[in-house]
Amino acid sequence: GAVVSQHPSRVICKSGTSVKIECRSLDFQATTMFWYRQFPKQSLMLMATSNEGSKATYEQGVEKDKFLINHASLTLSTLTVTSAHPEDSSFYICSARASAGNPYEQYFGPGTRLTVT
Amino acid sequence: KNQVEQSPQSLIILEGKNCTLQCNYTVSPFSNLRWYKQDTGRGPVSLTIMTFSENTKSNGRYTATLDADTKQSSLHITASQLSDSASYICVVSAKGNNRLAFGKGNQVVVIP
Repeated sequence: GAVVSQHPSRVICKSGTSVKIECRSLDFQATTMFWYRQFPKQSLMLMATSNEGSKATYEQGVEKDKFLINHASLTLSTLTVTSAHPEDSSFYICSARASAGNPYEQYFGPGTRLTVT
Repeated sequence: KNQVEQSPQSLIILEGKNCTLQCNYTVSPFSNLRWYKQDTGRGPVSLTIMTFSENTKSNGRYTATLDADTKQSSLHITASQLSDSASYICVVSAKGNNRLAFGKGNQVVVIP
């Protein structure tokens, strides 16, 4: 089956620093990737949608200058949390939609736990 | 108000027993409904996807049903195992866009 990886799986950083999270589709090409944030016992909340080679579309209330998304290839999207603050601590999950195959399917990565101290 | 409501919020069941999780949604126009299993600290893993014309789909011990008229779905777990302990998330997609509406999940704990 389709596999999506994320790196790192867990990161702790100091307040004010920037953190980059990678999302890769390992065995398929993904024209569209999605970034979600999940707080404990809450639903996944869509942050942004990224299409390969174009600018990401951000959800209302998500600061595009704070959460930088790059989707430079059909298998890689990155999310950079700039000038991180403790309130950015969360579980970040990406998903990818395959360029071919089932148009309804989104494959989720394993998530990245970000802790900002 | 959330477009996808799940119940019960949490439940504890004995190993070997069955359980049924409920999902009600208001998303319209409806495209498809998915059930995902999310282990603690992990990403969601797809169990089933159903479109408007499908009213039941199975994946091993998991059986999902869909009533598009009443906008309800259920996920039945048969002969539960300890590894079934997880959050089960109902996700509904509307026609014409990429957007997914997520429920908060049913937290299932299976005890020996």
